[in-house]
Amino acid sequence: VQIQQWGAGLLKPSETLSLTCTVDDIRGLWGAYWGWIRQPPGRGLEWIGETIYGRGTAYSPSLRSRVTISLDTSKNQVFLKLTSVTPADTAVYYCARRPTGYGSWGQGTLVTVSS
Amino acid sequence: QTVVTQEPSLTVSPGGTVTLTCASNSGAVTGDNYPNWFQQKPGQPPRPLIYSTSYTYSSTPARFSGSLFGGKAALTLSGAQPEDEADYYCLLSFGGPWVFGGGTKLTVL
Repeated sequence: VQIQQWGAGLLKPSETLSLTCTVDDIRGLWGAYWGWIRQPPGRGLEWIGETIYGRGTAYSPSLRSRVTISLDTSKNQVFLKLTSVTPADTAVYYCARRPTGYGSWGQGTLVTVSS
Repeated sequence: QTVVTQEPSLTVSPGGTVTLTCASNSGAVTGDNYPNWFQQKPGQPPRPLIYSTSYTYSSTPARFSGSLFGGKAALTLSGAQPEDEADYYCLLSFGGPWVFGGGTKLTVL
């Protein structure tokens, strides 16, 4: 499964981060969880949340109040929105697919939050 | 708050064996935590190695294996190669949210 992701790379504090992830085959979107993970520069991985068609979404407790993950099956796309960003949200954001384990990852998108 | 703990750093000799562990402050790690393991080299996305404790991907080198031991998830590398020098992360499920460990920097020296 080939995963591509994109979105704005430079944001100002208080803006909303929006990233999109797409899979090359509609069959890849179904029957699997789709997650977002981030990694601040020089630091470890942080799980943000995941969703699966028809079964809801789970979020990290620390980000739940600001994050939304959704699917658009008509476009084979998965979305991440993170509101009210601060410099602490600066990170490489990854989209990943989990049929069982997180076995397929996007290439990552660097998002920098700076005034 | 759930915290997942890994050794910050380990060193293994070429050809040697090393075990990395993954513990949870909420109790013993079991199969119900579905442990995942990833390898990451600088500038690259994480590379999946293990899922559901001990299942490997078709691309996982045979020298990597996963298990549960002493209430922790474990990743064992048998016959370390220079190219295995990397950061390793575990990921545990807690019935909805998942939590990454802080990572282990593995040096092959």
